[in-house]
Amino acid sequence: AQKITQTQPGMFVQEKEAVTLDCTYDTSDPSYGLFWYKQPSSGEMIFLIYQGSYDQQNATEGRYSLNFQKARKSANLVISASQLGDSAMYFCAMREGAGGTSYGKLTFGQGTILTVHP
Amino acid sequence: DGGITQSPKYLFRKEGQNVTLSCEQNLNHDAMYWYRQDPGQGLRLIYYSQIVNDFQKGDIAEGYSVSREKKESFPLTVTSAQKNPTAFYLCASSYFVGRGSETQYFGPGTRLLVL
Repeated sequence: AQKITQTQPGMFVQEKEAVTLDCTYDTSDPSYGLFWYKQPSSGEMIFLIYQGSYDQQNATEGRYSLNFQKARKSANLVISASQLGDSAMYFCAMREGAGGTSYGKLTFGQGTILTVHP
Repeated sequence: DGGITQSPKYLFRKEGQNVTLSCEQNLNHDAMYWYRQDPGQGLRLIYYSQIVNDFQKGDIAEGYSVSREKKESFPLTVTSAQKNPTAFYLCASSYFVGRGSETQYFGPGTRLLVL
C-alpha cells in the first residue's frame, strides 16, 4: 500500500493565484513528520516546509503553508500568490518513528508537476 | 558556505564497471542518505548512515555499496551487479530526529548513464 499518495500528476495555476497540492498519508505510528520538497528542472531537492504529527498549528513558511488535517491523514501544500519560478515538481514525504531514535527515513510520494502561467 | 556537494554532475558507466559517486557535507550533520530517482518518480532510499563506520540498507540496496569513514563523507559505489543503474542519484544529510531540526537537506545530484 502506498504510504504517501499525491493524486494530482499535474496542476496549472495562473500567476499570483493560490494553488493547493494534495497529499494523503498512511501510518499507524503516532509520531511522524511530514515534509514538502520542490524539485525544479535542475534536479536539486529544495526543502519547503515541515509539519510534526504533534504540532497543534499548521506550519507556514512565507508563501507556503501546510493544511494539516490529522483525522483525514492529509497534508496539503498551499502556495499563495504563485510566481513563475514556482513551476517545478513538488514532493510530499513522510518520516515515521519516534523522535530521538529514528534515523529519519523518508518515504516520498510520486510528485505533482506544477506549471504557473503568466 | 555550508552545504552538500555531489560529484560528478554526470557520470557514464560501461557495462561491468563499478563507479563511485561522491557526497560531502559541511553541515556537521550526523546522518547521511543516498536516494535514487527514476524519471517521473519519487525518491527511493538506497543506504543511510547514522554515524561514522556504520550504515544500513534502505529499500533498494542491491547492487550498491557505501562507506562512512568520515562524518563529512558518504560515497556510493554502483557495482556491476546493479543491472539498471541509469537514474538520478541524490545524497542528503540531517541531524538525528529529536536533535532539533530533522529536515533532510539534499545535494545537487548526479546523473548516471550507462553506455
